[in-house]
Amino acid sequence: GEDVEQSLFLSVREGDSSVINCTYTDSSSTYLYWYKQEPGAGLQLLTYIFSNMDMKQDQRLTVLLNKKDKHLSLRIADTQTGDSAIYFCAESAQRGSYIPTFGRGTSLIVHP
Amino acid sequence: DSGVTQTPKHLITATGQRVTLRCSPRSGDLSVYWYQQSLDQGLQFLIHYYNGEERAKGNILERFSAQQFPDLHSELNLSSLELGDSALYFCASSVMGETTEAFFGQGTRLTVV
Repeated sequence: GEDVEQSLFLSVREGDSSVINCTYTDSSSTYLYWYKQEPGAGLQLLTYIFSNMDMKQDQRLTVLLNKKDKHLSLRIADTQTGDSAIYFCAESAQRGSYIPTFGRGTSLIVHP
Repeated sequence: DSGVTQTPKHLITATGQRVTLRCSPRSGDLSVYWYQQSLDQGLQFLIHYYNGEERAKGNILERFSAQQFPDLHSELNLSSLELGDSALYFCASSVMGETTEAFFGQGTRLTVV
C-alpha cells in the first residue's frame, strides 16, 4: 500500500468545519506536514507538526496527531470558498535526509 | 509569489526528445528539490541539491539528471522522453536542508506527444 494515504475528495458547506484525514505507515516519521495546492499554483506549506506533539493550532487550522494509530488530521474552521484546493499530507523522517513523502492529496470543495 | 521561479511554464515536445527545466531558488536559499506530479503517481520526490552537491535521490529515472550551478540555480534534464513523462515538475527551495521551510515554484507542465 501507499506510505501516506488520504481520501481523494471532501465536500463541505461554506461556514462549516472541514476535517481532512491522513494515515501514514512509517513509525519513525519525525515531521508531519499539510500542504495546500491551488489551481495552477505550486504547493504551499500550511503547517507542520513534530512527532512528539499531539496538537498544533494556527488560527483556523488545527492539526491533530495520533502517533499510535499513525493518523494525522487537519481541521479548517469556518471553511470559506477560498479554501477550495487540494490538500496534501506528507511525512518525513531521518532517512539520510528529511525529504517529505506525500499522499495523493484531498480535493476540498467548498460550496455556498 | 513564493520567490521560486521555474521556466518554462509549459513545454510540449515529442517522444524521444530531450528537454531542460530550469529553477531559480529564492534569494539566499542553498537547497533545491525537484518533484514530479502526475495523475497516476502523485507527487514524487526526484532529487535534492544543497549548495551545488547532490544530497538525496528519490524516484529519479536514469534518463533524468539534474545539477545545481554556482549561482545556485538548478536544471533538470529529461532525455529520451516517453509519453509517461508527461507531468508537472516542481522545484522547491529552502535556506538549508530543512524541508519544513521549503517554498515551491509554480511548476513546469511537460506534455510529451
